[in-house]
This record gives sequence, C-alpha cells and structure tokens, in this order.
Amino acid sequence: QQQVKQSPQSLIVQKGGISIINCAYENTAFDYFPWYQQFPGKGPALLIAIRPDVSEKKEGRFTISFNKSAKQFSLHIMDSQPGDSATYFCAALTQGGSEKLVFGKGMKLTVNP
Amino acid sequence: DTGVSQDPRHKITKRGQNVTFRCDPISEHNRLYWYRQTLGQGPEFLTYFQNEAQLEKSRLLSDRFSAERPKGSFSTLEIQRTEQGDSAMYLCASSLENQPQHFGDGTRLSIL
Repeated sequence: QQQVKQSPQSLIVQKGGISIINCAYENTAFDYFPWYQQFPGKGPALLIAIRPDVSEKKEGRFTISFNKSAKQFSLHIMDSQPGDSATYFCAALTQGGSEKLVFGKGMKLTVNP
Repeated sequence: DTGVSQDPRHKITKRGQNVTFRCDPISEHNRLYWYRQTLGQGPEFLTYFQNEAQLEKSRLLSDRFSAERPKGSFSTLEIQRTEQGDSAMYLCASSLENQPQHFGDGTRLSIL
C-alpha cells in the first residue's frame, strides 16, 4: 500500500513557467510534510516543509499549499529555471516516534531554456 | 560544514558475497536512518537508531541485513549473501529529534 501518492510522474516546463507537483496521503497521523529535491547521483536535499496547522508556506520561488481536509498538499515552483531540473519527492512523517519518512514515488522535472 | 558522509559511493559485487557500507552522520545528530532507493522510486525506510540503540526495523530488512551504530557515532549496514534484488542506492540520513533529516549521497550497490 502506498501511503503517499505523488503526481505527475514527470513534467516539462519552459524557463520562467510554473511547475506544480501534487501529493495525497492516507495516514491522518502524519503531521510533518517535507519536499526533497534530488539530482542524479546525489542524496535527497530538503527543500521546504510544512505542518498541517498552516495552509501555505512560501520560501523564495517555492510554495507549499496544504489542504488538511482533503489530505492533499502541493509544491509550486515559480519562475522555473533550468537549474531546477531534478527529481522532486514529497514525504510525510509522524513526529514523536521514529520520525521515519514515507516518500512518494517522485516527479522528474525538466525545465527547458 | 560537514554533512552526512557515506562510503563507498559505489560497490560492485558478485551474487552471494557480503558487503558492508559505512555512514558518518552530522556530528551532533543523535538519530541515524538507513533508507533504500531503487530506480524510479522514492527512498524506503529500512532502520533507525537513536544514539547506539536500534529502535525500529522495516519488514524490508531481511535476516541477511544487519545494521550497527557502536558508540552512537558512525553506522554500518551489512548485507550477507547478496542477491540480485539487493541492487539499489542505500541512503543514510541523520537528524536531531523533531528536526529535518539530512541525507548523504548514498552507496550505489550493483550485484553481478
């Protein structure tokens, strides 16, 4: 069973465009939702994260929107740049225990110049 | 600023051989995690240490896998009698409680 579902699997956008990645979760015990960026041959790097007590968080060109009732959250990348080309993973965890991360399957983003 | 370090970066071995990977976490982090990532998938949790105690293991971690974290510092992950299905990227992450996990760049294991 996949606890965190991510879509789309891949996305191609033009430089300057908006990239949107969607995730849905099932486990209502999840209370921390990070997004990770991974380049080929590298480990995942934390991009931005949100807790369910807020509906939106913005850091630079990256914004997370969170809908607790729908159990969905999304990442918006504004003014997408070729350097943003990478694989993006949404994840979820429950704080207070092991805090193990449950990842989505990832989305490969390509930003054309 | 020293991040999470993993060694080796790549390991090629024959089926049936034993392999051992090492992870050096960020020095003040008391939590250490191992994940496995196969092609086109997100990382999957394998096991977790708080200091030197191994507190949780995934069902993915068969009897052929063992992990240690002596003295609560570095950790090793050993796979005995490797199988084709063990081919993957093995990722280590470390953190403090209630803080984000920081990942190393992984060890890519290829089984011939």
